Amino acid sequence: AIQLTQSPSSLSASVGDRVTITCRASQGIGSSLAWYQQKPGKAPNLLIYDASNLESGVPSRFSGSGSGTIFTLTVSSLQPEDFATYYCQHFHSFPLTFGGGTKLEIK
Amino acid sequence: EVQLVESGGGLVRPGGSLRLSCAASGFTFSTHWMHWVRQAPGKGLVWVSRINSDGNTVVYADSVRGRFTISRDNAKNTLYLQMNSLRAEDTAVYYCAGEGTNDALNIWGLGTMVTVSS
Repeated sequence: AIQLTQSPSSLSASVGDRVTITCRASQGIGSSLAWYQQKPGKAPNLLIYDASNLESGVPSRFSGSGSGTIFTLTVSSLQPEDFATYYCQHFHSFPLTFGGGTKLEIK
Repeated sequence: EVQLVESGGGLVRPGGSLRLSCAASGFTFSTHWMHWVRQAPGKGLVWVSRINSDGNTVVYADSVRGRFTISRDNAKNTLYLQMNSLRAEDTAVYYCAGEGTNDALNIWGLGTMVTVSS
């Protein structure tokens, strides 16, 4: 199974900061990667698909990049509502797997 | 409004069974591949199973293969997960999720809690 390793596992930042989360795949997955945001007690919400495509309705301050084994999710200017946990997920082959998550907290 | 609503969760003893349902509305359920994803308390997301649009092709995570069965009834716009031989480690919130035309889960339910305990 393809493993996805997210870093950091937690991150403290301030409103207005630019932050980047990394997701590393244990083998090449092309661009078959999605990013999700999850807030406590809520279902995940799709942010990015195919590594770099912004889901409809998601603010443009979110962006994704990468291919192969290294991917990044960037938030250009953190807003209060962005403090949440973020997960990557690959769709390259079964079993599908998620990264371990990155908890973004207010500094 | 696009919506997925799970039901059927609850408390069950180890070795027991539960059947989860996921009712879809607001979109063309019959054309969407559907997934179950679970999340143990305080832990991350774990993919469980996927079924294609007509129900003929199913895939499972190793941890549930042989114990769980995913199915769907397109006439009723409903997805199911039959869970047998439940273990303590199956305790989690179970989400149903829809896969859109891109490789991603773009529709999520609110989740239903399954607790396996004696």
